[in-house]
Amino acid sequence: EAAVTQSPRNKVAVTGGKVTLSCNQTNNHNNMYWYRQDTGHGLRLIHYSYGAGSTEKGDIPDGYKASRPSQENFSLILELATPSQTSVYFCASGDGGGRPEQYFGPGTRLTVL
Amino acid sequence: GDQVEQSPSALSLHEGTSSALRCNFTTTTRSVQWFRQNSRGSLINLFYLASGTKENGRLKSAFDSKELYSTLHIRDAQLEDSGTYFCAARVSGSALGRLHFGAGTQLIVIP
Repeated sequence: EAAVTQSPRNKVAVTGGKVTLSCNQTNNHNNMYWYRQDTGHGLRLIHYSYGAGSTEKGDIPDGYKASRPSQENFSLILELATPSQTSVYFCASGDGGGRPEQYFGPGTRLTVL
Repeated sequence: GDQVEQSPSALSLHEGTSSALRCNFTTTTRSVQWFRQNSRGSLINLFYLASGTKENGRLKSAFDSKELYSTLHIRDAQLEDSGTYFCAARVSGSALGRLHFGAGTQLIVIP
């Protein structure tokens, strides 16, 4: 089973503060993804990456940046957190080609006060 | 817009009964994944299908790319099947590997 870990698992931040969510995968997958989950919306794609050094905008990228410093690590950065970014954030990895399934981390619950 | 329409939004089943969840796609879809989200919030992979059907225990899934739908059948429902089920589609024309999620079906299995 593929292994994707996220840290922190829970985070409380203040409005205007900087938040960094981290994701690590040990599957040697090329692709990594950040989603957020809100009630009634399922999961929505924020940013994704095809490999180290690459980041691409997803469907709802505004207010978020991403960083892929290595094959294993993919971070989501909120430079100026707002209460509307209170959500549960999921990271996933996958290869997109021969092994197209995505595997998800356990999620990070972020509350912005 | 919404490319994945999932139904029903909520479902209650008595233990031992069976039912089906459905996802309709509004555009050409290359493959579908089904997940269950448990009470701790973890997303558990159930199926990946690029065509046809797959079965795993009491669960069976089908994907018809021509008719633009996928189903998940739950047979002999058990209490541990409770949770929220999501389908997610890889849509033609989207960047490689991207998933578009349905809004989910909240399933409660009643003793």
